[in-house]
Amino acid sequence: EAGVAQSPRYKIIEKRQSVAFWCNPISGHATLYWYQQILGQGPKLLIQFQNNGVVDDSQLPKDRFSAERLKGVDSTLKIQPAKLEDSAVYLCASSLSPTGGVTDTQYFGPGTRLTVL
Amino acid sequence: AQSVTQLGSHVSVSEGALVLLRCNYSSSVPPYLFWYVQYPNQGLQLLLKYTTGATLVKGINGFEAEFKKSETSFHLTKPSAHMSDAAEYFCAVSSGGSYIPTFGRGTSLIVHP
Repeated sequence: EAGVAQSPRYKIIEKRQSVAFWCNPISGHATLYWYQQILGQGPKLLIQFQNNGVVDDSQLPKDRFSAERLKGVDSTLKIQPAKLEDSAVYLCASSLSPTGGVTDTQYFGPGTRLTVL
Repeated sequence: AQSVTQLGSHVSVSEGALVLLRCNYSSSVPPYLFWYVQYPNQGLQLLLKYTTGATLVKGINGFEAEFKKSETSFHLTKPSAHMSDAAEYFCAVSSGGSYIPTFGRGTSLIVHP
């Protein structure tokens, strides 16, 4: 079974530029998550989709971050404009159940490492 | 509110020695507890989780963890370290009906030959 795919793996941009990340979840997985992992910290949830609807985006800085999940499959996360503090690894994860639950294991992609100069 | 504290940002052991990674949690309701491992340039992988029932949980790669409510702890152990165990380990907690985990800062496990 193919895992969660993310691209690009690395991105370097100047502050105030825009950037987009792409995630392809495991086939058939209803729920998709984006996490931000700043160096030296654990991942922090940014947004959660169930199919193509947003369930939780309370931690997403909506003035500069946006995300969408087209047709309940692939997802993109965009930052515009980027700030220095956005330097982090952005992790995408997916899980099978549309209703979630503690037994619904999240499978993580390798992440995109963003450096903002 | 829930939180996780991982004691020690780095733990160094010799190959074959006991691995002990410490995790304490804070939760106002019964927690669900997780350990994840992250190898370099890879995403997180679930090692094990505690939901209900038996407090000693066995996971993959020979790891296990014990839920101790009285100590609010969920320490991760492995009897004998292998070089391939070198990685970043994250403890996480979820509670209150939410299954979205709150992660600790991580502990880097270094294994010496």
